Amino acid sequence: DVKVTQSSRYLVKRTGEKVFLECVQDMDHENMFWYRQDPGLGLRLIYFSYDVKMKEKGDIPEGYSVSREKKERFSLILESASTNQTSMYLCASSLGGREEKLLFGSGTQLSVL
Amino acid sequence: AQSVTQPDIHITVSEGASLELRCNYSYGATPYLFWYVQSPGQGLQLLLKYFSGDTLVQGIKGFEAEFKRSQSSFNLRKPSVHWSDAAEYFCAVGAGYGGATNKLIFGTGTLLAVQP
Repeated sequence: DVKVTQSSRYLVKRTGEKVFLECVQDMDHENMFWYRQDPGLGLRLIYFSYDVKMKEKGDIPEGYSVSREKKERFSLILESASTNQTSMYLCASSLGGREEKLLFGSGTQLSVL
Repeated sequence: AQSVTQPDIHITVSEGASLELRCNYSYGATPYLFWYVQSPGQGLQLLLKYFSGDTLVQGIKGFEAEFKRSQSSFNLRKPSVHWSDAAEYFCAVGAGYGGATNKLIFGTGTLLAVQP
């Protein structure tokens, strides 16, 4: 089965720590995305990438950065984690084109204490 | 700016009853519209999508949605709900990026509960 894999299902970190969330897709997809999901707010786009080493800010990029050194891997980085970054993080990937669906990973629930 | 509104936060229906989940969008051009479902502890799964052509779109699990341009709506329907349909449902519009990337903007979701 083709899939998007997020390395951790649950993660607990302390305020000020540097946090890496990893996402890998095995479908040779061009596009990869990081969303965060919060109750009552739905999914909000943090960053996306349409090619290796290319990235674009989404709607809420503050406090985050990303890295895409290989086509299959897209990392989300919290430089200095804060409690307001406690959330569910969802990675997704897709082929190019507006008509293409996004395929999602199962998510990483991050708690920052 | 593009946006998606799902006016119902929670909906409870009885098993076997019909279902309609509402979605309204704001987008300047022809919208690319999607419905996703998220079961507890899972990622999102695509139910159906609309790009052009027939405004009534069939999806998986017996769901359908109707695009109404005049009302800027894309409501999701199912004639008979099963207990396994209990989940959170998200409507999304494809905002695009340079015509080559399908950046999706999501609504806030509707949580569906199914009573026996």
